[in-house]
Amino acid sequence: QSALTQPASVSGSPGQSITISCTGSGSDVGGYNYVSWYQQHPGKAPKLMIYDVSRRPRGVSDRFSGSKSGNTASLTISGLQAEDEADYYCSSYTSTNTQVFGTGTKVTVL
Amino acid sequence: QVQLQESGPGLVKPSETLSLTCAVSGYSISNDYYWGWIRQPPGKGLEWIGSVYRSGSTYYNPSLKSRVTISVDTSKNQFSLRLSSVTAADTAVYYCASSGDYYFSFDYWGQGTLVTVSS
Repeated sequence: QSALTQPASVSGSPGQSITISCTGSGSDVGGYNYVSWYQQHPGKAPKLMIYDVSRRPRGVSDRFSGSKSGNTASLTISGLQAEDEADYYCSSYTSTNTQVFGTGTKVTVL
Repeated sequence: QVQLQESGPGLVKPSETLSLTCAVSGYSISNDYYWGWIRQPPGKGLEWIGSVYRSGSTYYNPSLKSRVTISVDTSKNQFSLRLSSVTAADTAVYYCASSGDYYFSFDYWGQGTLVTVSS
């Protein structure tokens, strides 16, 4: 299975909003509402930020939001803060009962 | 609060079998949830290895399926990963993780353990 496609990097200034895309196919992103987003700081384990396309786990800031259109899911970070600088990965359930991660996006706060 | 801790050798020789265990605390592995292994080669992205459901059903990454086995030991409240015929390409940080209440996502993660494949 091929990794979902994400931009390699996205940047923004503090207070701005940025959006990270995650493109798959009808067999994964487009076929199911099981898209998740993870934040990973250097040397740390990933942290779940969004599940089921747009739901936030308990304790995750409402500055993080998710959406999906067709085969592309998106993560938006509003009111960008220095602590948001990290790598972000999407993942999706697939038609063969497997999971696939995205290629990862490095977010830089200017 | 669910806690996960990986353990196993940090160095494995090429062609041998990598074996890791994930000890679970704060929750009974036989109750529910979805348990999995994910790896990350140095400087690269995340790769899903496979998962096991409460029912015992297992699902694997097609690219690794012929070499991977994930099993559950409810008596010890842990689950394990075996990856056979390893090469240098299998060098990575290996994470165990659990869905928690959010099926098909991973809400709880171990700290990760670096496994290096080298002679």
